[in-house]
Amino acid sequence: AQSVTQLDSHVSVSEGTPVLLRCNYSSSYSPSLFWYVQHPNKGLQLLLKYTSAATLVKGINGFEAEFKKSETSFHLTKPSAHMSDAAEYFCVVSEGYGNKLVFGAGTILRVKS
Amino acid sequence: DVKVTQSSRYLVKRTGEKVFLECVQDMDHENMFWYRQDPGLGLRLIYFSYDVKMKEKGDIPEGYSVSREKKERFSLILESASTNQTSMYLCASSSSTETQYFGPGTRLLVL
Repeated sequence: AQSVTQLDSHVSVSEGTPVLLRCNYSSSYSPSLFWYVQHPNKGLQLLLKYTSAATLVKGINGFEAEFKKSETSFHLTKPSAHMSDAAEYFCVVSEGYGNKLVFGAGTILRVKS
Repeated sequence: DVKVTQSSRYLVKRTGEKVFLECVQDMDHENMFWYRQDPGLGLRLIYFSYDVKMKEKGDIPEGYSVSREKKERFSLILESASTNQTSMYLCASSSSTETQYFGPGTRLLVL
């Protein structure tokens, strides 16, 4: 069965510095991988999606993620954090059957001014 | 624009009450999902449906049931609410592309 591990429950960065949110996955076949973001008191919004095309995936708001099969990783990065990036981020893998998704536990990103 | 709506943003219920959470999507999606979200646990799948009148158990179906009588509507039912069902409930829908679109969530407090 598929699983997702987000390696940090909380990440704190200063505004203008790079962001790195780490994610490792386990899958028995070539997975689809996602990053979703949830701002306080809001629903989840899709940031980006990997589906076996280019290994470097660009998303909204300047975020990108790189699929590394050898490391079973799908880390999320952004060159320069903005205050509005403060939110909870979820790494997600698709199980395929019925389009079921398996969510990581989430990483809360704090951006300091 | 894609839209998933949930009937309530906040609900307060008493232990033993029957609770209905409604979700409606306007995208003609085949698949619909109910999750609960708890701090440190991410989202956990309760039930999902891939067609009208069809349902499948997710990872934590105990204490819940669902109903899908129309393609656009998916209801989550707590037959007898308990305090451990206090949580945020999120509905989502998807087509064959796997990308799920989420509603704003219902925060349920069971006293």
